[in-house]
Amino acid sequence: NAGVTQTPKFQVLKTGQSMTLQCAQDMNHNSMYWYRQDPGMGLRLIYYSASEGTTDKGEVPNGYNVSRLNKREFSLRLESAAPSQTSVYFCASSLLGGFEVNQPQHFGDGTRLSIL
Amino acid sequence: GENVEQHPSTLSVQEGDSAVIKCTYSDSASNYFPWYKQELGKGPQLIIDIRSNVGEKKDQRIAVTLNKTAKHFSLHITETQPEDSAVYFCAASYRSSNTGKLIFGQGTTLQVKP
Repeated sequence: NAGVTQTPKFQVLKTGQSMTLQCAQDMNHNSMYWYRQDPGMGLRLIYYSASEGTTDKGEVPNGYNVSRLNKREFSLRLESAAPSQTSVYFCASSLLGGFEVNQPQHFGDGTRLSIL
Repeated sequence: GENVEQHPSTLSVQEGDSAVIKCTYSDSASNYFPWYKQELGKGPQLIIDIRSNVGEKKDQRIAVTLNKTAKHFSLHITETQPEDSAVYFCAASYRSSNTGKLIFGQGTTLQVKP
């Protein structure tokens, strides 16, 4: 049982390049999330998908887009990477979400992204 | 706006001592409070959570207490061991009109010295 799988684990980009971070979960969860983690700032929500077919902005959505490909997969795209997007990105999933936020979230091991 | 403050940012204890991490939240409607442990190079893992209808919850050496009036909650780790060394995050639920999310604290780096 893999849980939440993120690819790639590491990536270095140049400013202006584009890239898609992949996330898949095998727990039959309805809700999925993308966070970024920066030193001293905890985890900040970028986008989430409360259920298949829906996506919503979180606290820091600028510069990102998402796609909920199906129930299992939720991708995060950087169209034109900027140095300020250097961070560790975590994908998470929960059985329910949206208004039913009182659910444990299960996290992947992250993608470490550096933008030069 | 919604906010969760976590203290201290770093904590160093001797093996066998207790450790306490405190969080304060801003939204009085918050009713779900999870705690996560993050080891180096890994993603956060849920270690314990509490809902607002409960004042305290224990699981072996860890416990969480909630004071709704003061809007703060705390993680207590007793008989600490070197493997407890990690970054710990608290979070609080926040609901708007039709959706919700978790707001995370800034994290506490716990070091347990053998």
